[in-house]
Amino acid sequence: KAGVTQTPRYLIKTRGQQVTLSCSPISGHRSVSWYQQTPGQGLQFLFEYFSETQRNKGNFPGRFSGRQFSNSRSEMNVSTLELGDSALYLCASSLDGGTRTGELFFGEGSRLTVL
Amino acid sequence: GQQVMQIPQYQHVQEGEDFTTYCNSSTTLSNIQWYKQRPGGHPVFLIQLVKSGEVKKQKRLTFQFGEAKKNSSLHITATQTTDVGTYFCADTNTGNQFYFGTGTSLTVIP
Repeated sequence: KAGVTQTPRYLIKTRGQQVTLSCSPISGHRSVSWYQQTPGQGLQFLFEYFSETQRNKGNFPGRFSGRQFSNSRSEMNVSTLELGDSALYLCASSLDGGTRTGELFFGEGSRLTVL
Repeated sequence: GQQVMQIPQYQHVQEGEDFTTYCNSSTTLSNIQWYKQRPGGHPVFLIQLVKSGEVKKQKRLTFQFGEAKKNSSLHITATQTTDVGTYFCADTNTGNQFYFGTGTSLTVIP
């Protein structure tokens, strides 16, 4: 069974640009969540999607957005990039039968550097 | 809002020594999950604790859930170099959102 796939793995952008990251969850998983990881800050929750609906959103500015498609693939977009957006962006999928106790399966992440 | 504190932030041990990381919450936790992230890797699920006072073991790893469900711990006996990485606890107390601790970075000195 294929794991969670994130693309691109690495990317470099300049301030003011925008970026789109993609995540393909494990087959059969309908929940996809996104996390930002920076040194010393741990994993910060961005948002979670289930069946194309955003169910929850973390405390990030509106420049951070996402969506989920009917095949459960998800994208996140960051507009007007700032230097502080440099981070590892992790996508995680889970079965989520509604109990919210399913383990998260993480992708390898997309490492974004903003210059 | 929900805050999950994890201590220590860093830990260096000699190979063969024991290691413990603690996860504390200001509110009652519903479920606790533990993840391990190797350097340069992604978090990988280790275990989930659900019941008050629960203790689970995985070889040299022992996981505990506090009686009041406000804290949890991960203890590694006789560390090995393969134990190197960052250990995170996570709670799904409210909504559909995982609250991760800040992590404990473990370095094992051979």
